[in-house]
Amino acid sequence: DAGITQSPRYKITETGRQVTLMCHQTWSHSYMFWYRQDLGHGLRLIYYSAAADITDKGEVPDGYVVSRSKTENFPLTLESATRSQTSVYFCASRATGQETQYFGPGTRLLVL
Amino acid sequence: AQSVTQLGSHVSVSEGALVLLRCNYSSSVPPYLFWYVQYPNQGLQLLLKYTSAATLVKGINGFEAEFKKSETSFHLTKPSAHMSDAAEYFCAVSDPHYGQNFVFGPGTRLSVLP
Repeated sequence: DAGITQSPRYKITETGRQVTLMCHQTWSHSYMFWYRQDLGHGLRLIYYSAAADITDKGEVPDGYVVSRSKTENFPLTLESATRSQTSVYFCASRATGQETQYFGPGTRLLVL
Repeated sequence: AQSVTQLGSHVSVSEGALVLLRCNYSSSVPPYLFWYVQYPNQGLQLLLKYTSAATLVKGINGFEAEFKKSETSFHLTKPSAHMSDAAEYFCAVSDPHYGQNFVFGPGTRLSVLP
């Protein structure tokens, strides 16, 4: 039972480069979420998706793009990475009608 | 808009002592409330949740939390700390009437001293 996985787990990139973080879940949950975790801020919602081809902005969407062509995948793309996007990124999912979100192990991104 | 505050970014307790991690929320409607734990270099794991049933909620690893509407609080407690409880703890709130997206508090790092 793989649950929810993220790749890569660690990534170093340079400013201006495009980076894609992958998220895959095996539960067929309708909802998927991307958060970033920064000291003093807890987790902040970047984007979420209620179903395939349905996405919406969260609290901090600027500089990020998402897509959801398949229920199980929810990639997050930084189109032109900036140093302020250095963070730990978590993907989460939940089933329709359920309250609990389940989190992946995170991707630690460093933008130089 | 919802918000969550966690008093104390870092709490230290001795092994065997009471653990008390504070969480206060602001919400215009009765919310759902959650506590998650994050061990180093891992994702978040659900400890317990309140979804409008019993106000005293028991979770995993001996933790419990009490929803107090009059105080808008959802403090997390454990009678006796264990070394393995050292981790980061996050309180989160969701509004069942507005998409149930989470708003997280800033987190509290718990250290357990031998």
